[in-house]
Amino acid sequence: AAGVIQSPRHLIKEKRETATLKCYPIPRHDTVYWYQQGPGQDPQFLISFYEKMQSDKGSIPDRFSAQQFSDYHSELNMSSLELGDSALYFCASSSEDRAEGTDTQYFGPGTRLTVL
Amino acid sequence: DAKTTQPTSMDCAEGRAANLPCNHSTISGNEYVYWYRQIHSQGPQYIIHGLKNNETNEMASLIITEDRKSSTLILPHATLRDTAVYYCIVKYYGGSQGNLIFGKGTKLSVKP
Repeated sequence: AAGVIQSPRHLIKEKRETATLKCYPIPRHDTVYWYQQGPGQDPQFLISFYEKMQSDKGSIPDRFSAQQFSDYHSELNMSSLELGDSALYFCASSSEDRAEGTDTQYFGPGTRLTVL
Repeated sequence: DAKTTQPTSMDCAEGRAANLPCNHSTISGNEYVYWYRQIHSQGPQYIIHGLKNNETNEMASLIITEDRKSSTLILPHATLRDTAVYYCIVKYYGGSQGNLIFGKGTKLSVKP
């Protein structure tokens, strides 16, 4: 079965640079979520989109922005990178199962961002 | 903050059943119990979820107490590849509260 695709898988940037992470959801999934996982920490929710509109916002820094495009892929844009932004960034996608009343999220493999 | 409490770590012998408990005493009527696991920096992997009935799939079984204040994830025949951090998460269905709130999870070590 098709899974969530994230690119790139690894990214190395210098402080104050910008980075763009991409997420391609499972086909026919209409909701995308972004999570950040720092070293030794648990994943933290950043932001989500449903049908190309922002649906929820977590602890996302103002330096970060994201959007979901017409083909449902999503991009997380990160500017003025700081050392503390070094982390794993996971994208997850879901679709609403109206019959069951759930919207299970399936995660991609993540992008490892290293800021030097 | 996470709404669940799990043991920090557990050990299990290979081939034996692994029973991972989770307390969610403040769960509300329209919140589901989800279980995910994360194998060493890989993306969290969905395992199973339930509302009030016990559930079983090809990976695991989920036992939810009648009062819904706690649950147990059962891996019937643990293998070394089941070594991972297991997260128990309660979550509303959809809407603006659809994101997952990860707590500390249980680090399960399956030993030969």
